Amino acid sequence: ETGVTQSPTHLIKTRGQQVTLRCSSQSGHNTVSWYQQALGQGPQFIFQYYREEENGRGNFPPRFSGLQFPNYSSELNVNALELDDSALYLCASSLGALVGQETQYFGPGTRLLVL
Amino acid sequence: GQQVMQIPQYQHVQEGEDFTTYCNSSTTLSNIQWYKQRPGGHPVFLIQLVKSGEVKKQKRLTFQFGEAKKNSSLHITATQTTDVGTYFCAAPRGTYKYIFGTGTRLKVLA
Repeated sequence: ETGVTQSPTHLIKTRGQQVTLRCSSQSGHNTVSWYQQALGQGPQFIFQYYREEENGRGNFPPRFSGLQFPNYSSELNVNALELDDSALYLCASSLGALVGQETQYFGPGTRLLVL
Repeated sequence: GQQVMQIPQYQHVQEGEDFTTYCNSSTTLSNIQWYKQRPGGHPVFLIQLVKSGEVKKQKRLTFQFGEAKKNSSLHITATQTTDVGTYFCAAPRGTYKYIFGTGTRLKVLA
């Protein structure tokens, strides 16, 4: 077990709705990254938060937003859901923020289906 | 932009046979990571390679980083059914971000 938890495990939404996904990082891990993994694909980097500030972002539109809280929990919010947003959403926590510094520990993911 | 390609996309092997997956980058990498994702699971960190020509072993798994730091390989000796899953390499892009490869899905036939 990685000590990283995510909720909910599964979710069904309709197009145009908004969704909030939650992640609880390992205690002491200051960095959380969020990834989107479509079926049969590798994880795609959405953004990273370090000590409650966004410090890196992938090629995702502004309707993907996030928050990180002092208690090592974080959220991924997606507005105006589209069918293509259907995917497994993964959070990964690590001690450091810089690539190559630390191992990323992934949570079990939230599987989102948009109808 | 930087791309990370993995080959093959799929590999079916008989239990006991060896398996190798290759990861190729269009640019020189500072480091590379390897992950394993079981069916229905999440990626699990296996190893990080940093030095040119580096070779690391974990039991039956051998990881190699190319001399030019543009490619890497993962070799499994004598595969077992527990090795089933998708193997991803991940390469850094910029300061904070990793680009995951396309993955190699391994199926082991008993």
